[in-house]
Amino acid sequence: AQSVTQPDIHITVSEGASLELRCNYSYGATPYLFWYVQSPGQGLQLLLKYFSGDTLVQGIKGFEAEFKRSQSSFNLRKPSVHWSDAAEYFCAVGAKAAGNKLTFGGGTRVLVKP
Amino acid sequence: EAGVTQFPSHSVIEKGQTVTLRCDPISGHDNLYWYRRVMGKEIKFLLHFVKESKQDESGMPNNRFLAERTGGTYSTLKVQPAELEDSGVYFCASSRDRGFYEQYFGPGTRLTVT
Repeated sequence: AQSVTQPDIHITVSEGASLELRCNYSYGATPYLFWYVQSPGQGLQLLLKYFSGDTLVQGIKGFEAEFKRSQSSFNLRKPSVHWSDAAEYFCAVGAKAAGNKLTFGGGTRVLVKP
Repeated sequence: EAGVTQFPSHSVIEKGQTVTLRCDPISGHDNLYWYRRVMGKEIKFLLHFVKESKQDESGMPNNRFLAERTGGTYSTLKVQPAELEDSGVYFCASSRDRGFYEQYFGPGTRLTVT
């Protein structure tokens, strides 16, 4: 069975500082990996995805993530956060063998200090 | 292109009542998914439609939940009778017809059972 762990429930970061959100997954084969963001009052928006190929993927809003097979990780990074990045971030894993349904981590809530 | 829409955005009902949630996927998306996030927990898969057929309903919690997708277009999720533990945010997502594509999420319906 697939599982996803986001170890950090809350992270507080100063505006302009760098941000890294951790995600570890468990799956027997190469999964499809996603990061979604939910801003206050909004739905889930896809930030980026990894299916295959280059293990460093670029997403929207200046985010990037790196797939590390040896560590079963897919951490999300942003070099310089903006106040508008305050939101809840979800890592998710999917696989064709699992019928394409997504398994989500518990989410990390990011607070941005001025 | 219009996104995934859900109605209502909020619903407050009493225990024992019935509630029906609606999801309109992106036009042309054959795959439709329902997910749920109860308070403090991760987002969990409920079921998956391919057109009007239920492909996977392994995540449906019990027989008080009934999902339909008439004509392969919009979908409804009915909870009857509602219990306190059904409170949470219900998300709908859709994706294209073949292979594995990213799922586009709606804004969710917040259901509160009192």
